[in-house]
Amino acid sequence: DTTVKQNPRYKLARVGKPVNLICSQTMNHDTMYWYQKKPNQAPKLLLFYYDKILNREADTFEKFQSSRPNNSFCSLYIGSAGLEYSAMYLCASSRDRTNTGQLYFGEGSKLTVL
Amino acid sequence: GDSVTQTEGLVTLTEGLPVMLNCTYQTIYSNPFLFWYVHYLNESPRLLLKSSTDNKRTEHQGFHATLHKSSSSFHLQKSSAQLSDSALYYCALDDTGKLTFGDGTVLTVKP
Repeated sequence: DTTVKQNPRYKLARVGKPVNLICSQTMNHDTMYWYQKKPNQAPKLLLFYYDKILNREADTFEKFQSSRPNNSFCSLYIGSAGLEYSAMYLCASSRDRTNTGQLYFGEGSKLTVL
Repeated sequence: GDSVTQTEGLVTLTEGLPVMLNCTYQTIYSNPFLFWYVHYLNESPRLLLKSSTDNKRTEHQGFHATLHKSSSSFHLQKSSAQLSDSALYYCALDDTGKLTFGDGTVLTVKP
């Protein structure tokens, strides 16, 4: 099974409210990623976990939180959603850091902030 | 920093014609890996091709691409487009353990 599952698939949130997105994979992959995808833009890496170590991109450092309670699950947390957070959020995993190019993506969680 | 450029945002072709989607990249690293990902509607993006060594062609599912370090390019090609090839195609670069994506090219194949 090479699937990555994301929940919810669609999320409507009010400005200022928190948002929690969930991702799971059963491939025992070491690395899990979160990307933000806006229309007509490249997927933008927000953060990734290598095993239990969280790496956040410098320009999104304070906007997104994440946790990985076990190898299979990874969450993306927005403490206070703003309109600019409306996007598709893609979770992905890869076997290890030496094979980062081969990512397995979920179907995405579409967040709309009103 | 690294960057990937896909010059066409939208490509529309008639079935049976050849496909070429452009991808160029910039990186300071001498041995980057380049990838093509395909994203069909209502599905997850998935890996289509991974680059091999310089000037060596890689193929998968009828598509092929060749990494040319001299021109920093990794163009995606197919000899004959099919209706089922309609999708969003991303070129991506990996040189430091993270993928940098291009903006993507939407390929639409018409009968």
